[in-house]
Amino acid sequence: KNEVEQSPQNLTAQEGEFITINCSYSVGISALHWLQQHPGGGIVSLFMLSSGKKKHGRLIATINIQEKHSSLHITASHPRDSAVYICAPRGFGNEKLTFGTGTRLTIIP
Amino acid sequence: DVKVTQSSRYLVKRTGEKVFLECVQDMDHENMFWYRQDPGLGLRLIYFSYDVKMKEKGDIPEGYSVSREKKERFSLILESASTNQTSMYLCASSLSISGGGYTFGSGTRLTVV
Repeated sequence: KNEVEQSPQNLTAQEGEFITINCSYSVGISALHWLQQHPGGGIVSLFMLSSGKKKHGRLIATINIQEKHSSLHITASHPRDSAVYICAPRGFGNEKLTFGTGTRLTIIP
Repeated sequence: DVKVTQSSRYLVKRTGEKVFLECVQDMDHENMFWYRQDPGLGLRLIYFSYDVKMKEKGDIPEGYSVSREKKERFSLILESASTNQTSMYLCASSLSISGGGYTFGSGTRLTVV
């Protein structure tokens, strides 16, 4: 079973700060998802990546398959970025995801 | 955009009731999933389905069953609801093979009293 660890568990920052959330996992994977969950429950898939780096607006996700590590970065953070961010690796040959317990991000105006 | 729709946003049921949670997706995804989410435990997989009439147990299937009679619909059934099944339930779907298009519903917050 893939053990997934995220850090930090909670993060509070000022508006405009550069944010980094880290994810480590224990077993080789085929891809990794970064998910965002706002208060109220809805979950949105931000990225699915299997190598290198992806960018979408102010969000950047990187993955190092050899080191079993991924990071999510937010540039010029904004209060609307306040949410729980969850990393979810996917194993080989199946569609099941394993989920980290999430990082609760709060951006203060 | 792919849409995954869960029939109820909030639900309150009594202990011992049979509860049906419905999930419908509109993009012909092969895979569908039911999760529950509890504070400190994250998302845990209850059941999943790769195809019509096909189901496989996830990590915590006890006390639940599922039904997938049509490709677009995946139902979660609590045969006899108990208070420890009070939770947020999330449905998701994805494309087969690539695993892309992973899309979640907005969740059903179930309270069993």
